[in-house]
Amino acid sequence: QKEVEQNSGPLSVPEGAIASLNCTYSDRGSQSFFWYRQYSGKSPELIMFIYSNGDKEDGRFTAQLNKASQYVSLLIRDSQPSDSATYLCAVKEDMIYNQGGKLIFGQGTELSVKP
Amino acid sequence: KAGVTQTPRYLIKTRGQQVTLSCSPISGHRSVSWYQQTPGQGLQFLFEYFSETQRNKGNFPGRFSGRQFSNSRSEMNVSTLELGDSALYLCASSLPGAKETQYFGPGTRLLVL
Repeated sequence: QKEVEQNSGPLSVPEGAIASLNCTYSDRGSQSFFWYRQYSGKSPELIMFIYSNGDKEDGRFTAQLNKASQYVSLLIRDSQPSDSATYLCAVKEDMIYNQGGKLIFGQGTELSVKP
Repeated sequence: KAGVTQTPRYLIKTRGQQVTLSCSPISGHRSVSWYQQTPGQGLQFLFEYFSETQRNKGNFPGRFSGRQFSNSRSEMNVSTLELGDSALYLCASSLPGAKETQYFGPGTRLLVL
């Protein structure tokens, strides 16, 4: 059973701090990794995707991937109360010829940014 | 460009009934995936359609089925509803290709009484 693990939280950080969200995955063949943000009562919204080892930055968000350790993380710099949401880590299941869009999701980490 | 749309947004059914949910992907997206989200199980993959063919399937009973039309719009059907089918049903679309980043619609919230 391929799994994606996240700390459920809640993770509480003060406004302006760095929030660090972590995710591990079991399928060593996985090639594509995604972070989604989900506000309460809403659908998941794509924040970042990363395919290569190392860091990928987009504004206040940085995704980090370490395939050897099977570890993905998301850093949110200068956290704002509007960042308070559940963050979902998703890993695309390794398919033959990399076809198909099956994503395996972690349970999500609830982030609370306090003013 | 318009996002993924899903109809209806909310639905109340009783046990034993069947339900059909609809999803229109982002223009140009040919792959449509369906997910079920519940508080206990999280987000779970139901199935994926590409070019009117089911390309991948999750571990759900045969009561859950779907189809895709030539315009890439997709429907999913749940027959003989059970209380445990109460969930948020999400549709996601993506462009074909190795990366296939998925974009979610607003979801259909189904309550089975």
